[in-house]
This record gives sequence, structure tokens and C-alpha cells, in this order.
Amino acid sequence: QVQLQESGPGLVKPSETLSLTCTVSGGSVSSGSYYWSWIRQPPGKGLEWIGYIYYSGSTNYNPSLKSRVTISVDTSKNQFSLKLSSVTAADTAVYYCARTFWSGYLVDYWGQGTLVTVSS
Amino acid sequence: QSALTQPASVSGSPGQSITISCTGTSSDVGGYNYVSWYQQHPGKAPKLMIYDVSNRPSGVSNRFSGSKSGNTASLTISGLQAEDEADYYCSSYTSSSTQVFGGGTKLTVL
Repeated sequence: QVQLQESGPGLVKPSETLSLTCTVSGGSVSSGSYYWSWIRQPPGKGLEWIGYIYYSGSTNYNPSLKSRVTISVDTSKNQFSLKLSSVTAADTAVYYCARTFWSGYLVDYWGQGTLVTVSS
Repeated sequence: QSALTQPASVSGSPGQSITISCTGTSSDVGGYNYVSWYQQHPGKAPKLMIYDVSNRPSGVSNRFSGSKSGNTASLTISGLQAEDEADYYCSSYTSSSTQVFGGGTKLTVL
């Protein structure tokens, strides 16, 4: 059974960089069949796709966030990470890491999610 | 990319059937058979219910079914049960090789 677990600060100051890591167990980020994704959900609102990374390091990002987002992967630790720069209150959300099947972009495993609040 | 359009809310009585629509464009929903649906209970992570328009993952009840016509996909839940009360989100692959979600639909079981 694949499990994903997000970790990182729950509070970030405005204009700073949000950093989260997702640790994968029961599966490998080096699997060629999956992308490793970040998805967020502001309180009381809908889901927003942030982007994904392939084990090779290839990435794709939401155009609306592209200038501020970096996703990286560490295959030796079976982890992938998210950095979102210049955050504002609008970036306050539950951040999910997830596994996405390459064909059809179906998301079959999700982390439990972690709330990140942007506030001074 | 713009979010896919879903009704904000739908409701139905136990045993009835409901349908949730998800409207996009020819660059996402209409262009590919890569629509998936997710169920989310309060405080929980979303759960995959339908993928590739109409396929059910193992373990998902056959009361859940999906379809698509043109730029609109639909999720139908038959034989409504109290446990089906949740938020539902559609998602689609896009022509930019990105993913886009719908705004979500709150299902109330009366």
C-alpha cells in the first residue's frame, strides 16, 4: 500500500518561501509509471493543481503559479518537494502531495494534507 | 487555465439517483477521455471514484458511474446512501499536459 506524508512548517510569513516535503513509502518515486504531484485546497474552497515531477526531474506547473513554483525529487530518499516563493495570504491552504498515473493524470494516492498558513 | 464548471450543490433522497455535471472546453474535457472524479469528506483527502471518464477503481461501488458528451462530463450516483454525502470534484487532463479541477459540488443526502 502506497503512503505519502507531507512535512514542513505550518506557518510562513508573507513574502517568504513555503517549503514542503513528501515522503513516499510502499512505492518508489523512481517508478516510470507515475508523476508526483502537489495539489492545494484553500480553506472552504476547491482543489487547485500546482504541478508535478517525474523521477527524471522533468516538471510541469500550473501556469498561474509557474513563476513562483519549484518541485524537485530526491530518489535516494524517496521524497519530492515543493517550494513556493513570495507567498501571500492567498497561498494559505491545505497542501496535498499525491501520486498521479502518467496516462490520464488520475490521482490514485493522496497524502493526508498539511495546512500551511501565511501570516505575519 | 480555467477551472472546470460544476454546480455548487446537488441534493437527493436516499435511494434516488443524482447526476453532477462538469463542463470544460475542447482543450480539456472535450479533447480527451481523461476525466476523473474524486469524493472528499470533510477534513479528509480526496478519493478517486472514476477515472478515464467511466472506469471505476477496484473497491468503488458500482453505484458510481461516469460518462461524457462533448465538453461535459457527468458523474451519476444511483441508490443514494447517507455515506455519499460529500464534496465531489472532477478533473481533466489538458492540451498543455497539465491538470485542471472543477470547482467542486456539495452533495446533500436529504
